[in-house]
Amino acid sequence: KNQVEQSPQSLIILEGKNCTLQCNYTVSPFSNLRWYKQDTGRGPVSLTIMTFSENTKSNGRYTATLDADTKQSSLHITASQLSDSASYICVVSARGSTLGRLYFGRGTQLTVWP
Amino acid sequence: DAGITQSPRHKVTETGTPVTLRCHQTENHRYMYWYRQDPGHGLRLIHYSYGVKDTDKGEVSDGYSVSRSKTEDFLLTLESATSSQTSVYFCAISPTGSDTGELFFGEGSRLTVL
Repeated sequence: KNQVEQSPQSLIILEGKNCTLQCNYTVSPFSNLRWYKQDTGRGPVSLTIMTFSENTKSNGRYTATLDADTKQSSLHITASQLSDSASYICVVSARGSTLGRLYFGRGTQLTVWP
Repeated sequence: DAGITQSPRHKVTETGTPVTLRCHQTENHRYMYWYRQDPGHGLRLIHYSYGVKDTDKGEVSDGYSVSRSKTEDFLLTLESATSSQTSVYFCAISPTGSDTGELFFGEGSRLTVL
């Protein structure tokens, strides 16, 4: 069964600290994995996409990693800011569907305290 | 920001009444999607469209219908709303239906069915 599991479910950190969010998936055949950020009351916005051949990709203070062998991805946030408080959603795409069959994780709710 | 407008943004209705949510885009993207987001669940696909008058069901389509008479508009209708349809509904668009395509989400429509 194709699934996407994220951990932790929620996380509280102090401003300026680093954190790492995890995503494990069983989607096959794998095409790509995206991390989305969803601010409260807003729609999700894509942060980064990881394809099969990519191990690491950075977008400012966000760094995503992918291990296609173990089917794990992580999102590392460096020097957190209050504006990083949001839900982070891992979305995995299955290869072969022209309509991009997507599998959504339930998200990790990150709260950054001053 | 992608030009996506959802209306209404908030609606309270009673069980058994019909409800229509509208998604309007100015990007001329071919693919449009309706998702619902509930606590404890990832985003779940209700219906999607791959062109004018071309629509298909997602994983949670029971109780919902859609129509797309113009490229820019995608309507979601609840023929007879039930309390289980209380949710936040997101419209998304994509220029490509391929498995590498990025989804651009609207701001969401919060529906409460009493």
